[in-house]
Amino acid sequence: QKEVEQDPGPLSVPEGAIVSLNCTYSNSAFQYFMWYRQYSRKGPELLMYTYSSGNKEDGRFTAQVDKSSKYISLFIRDSQPSDSATYLCAMSKGGNKLTFGTGTQLKVEL
Amino acid sequence: SAVISQKPSRDICQRGTSLTIQCQVDSQVTMMFWYRQQPGQSLTLIATANQGSEATYESGFVIDKFPISRPNLTFSTLTVSNMSPEDSSIYLCSVVTGTNYGYTFGSGTRLTVV
Repeated sequence: QKEVEQDPGPLSVPEGAIVSLNCTYSNSAFQYFMWYRQYSRKGPELLMYTYSSGNKEDGRFTAQVDKSSKYISLFIRDSQPSDSATYLCAMSKGGNKLTFGTGTQLKVEL
Repeated sequence: SAVISQKPSRDICQRGTSLTIQCQVDSQVTMMFWYRQQPGQSLTLIATANQGSEATYESGFVIDKFPISRPNLTFSTLTVSNMSPEDSSIYLCSVVTGTNYGYTFGSGTRLTVV
C-alpha cells in the first residue's frame, strides 16, 4: 500500500465549476500538508501549505486537512481554463523529505 | 522564492551512456534535492545534496548509479550512469527557500533512453 493515494484522473470540468481534489494517507506521523500545481513541461509550484488539521483559504483555493480520517482536500472555486494542470498533494513528518501523491490531472473546459 | 535553471531540458540517450544534469540557483541554499518523476508515479526523492559533504541517498538509489556533485551553495549536478530504458523519466532539482515548506522546483530534465 502506498503511503499517499491520489486519484490520477483525468478530471474534466466546465469553466466556473467547483473542483474537489483529494488525497488519503496511511501514516499518522504526517504533520505538514501541501498542494503543488504542475503545468505541462514545468516543475511543480507550491499552491497551499497547511500544518496539522484545519482549513486554509487563499483566493479561489481552499485546503482542508482531516487528520482523524487521514484525508486532505483542495477545493478550487470558479475554475478557469488556466487552472488546467496536474495537482500533486505532498506531505511531511517534519524535516525535508516530502512524500508525494501521483497527481490528479485537471482540465477546465470553456 | 528562488529561481532554478536546469539543463538540459530534455535529451535522448543511448543505453549504457551517462548524462549529467545541471541545476543552478539564483541564491545560496544549504540543501538541494534531486527527484525523479516517472510516468504515472509520484515524485520520488533520489538524494539530498549538501555543500561540502557527501550526498544522502534515499532507499533504492545508490551513488554509483546517481553520483551527485555540490561544489558550492548555488550549483549541483546529478549524473545518471550506465543508463537503461528504465531510467527514462523526468529528473527535477529542488531547493527550500523561506519557511512553510516553500520548495521550489526546476523545470525538469526529460530523459529518454533508447
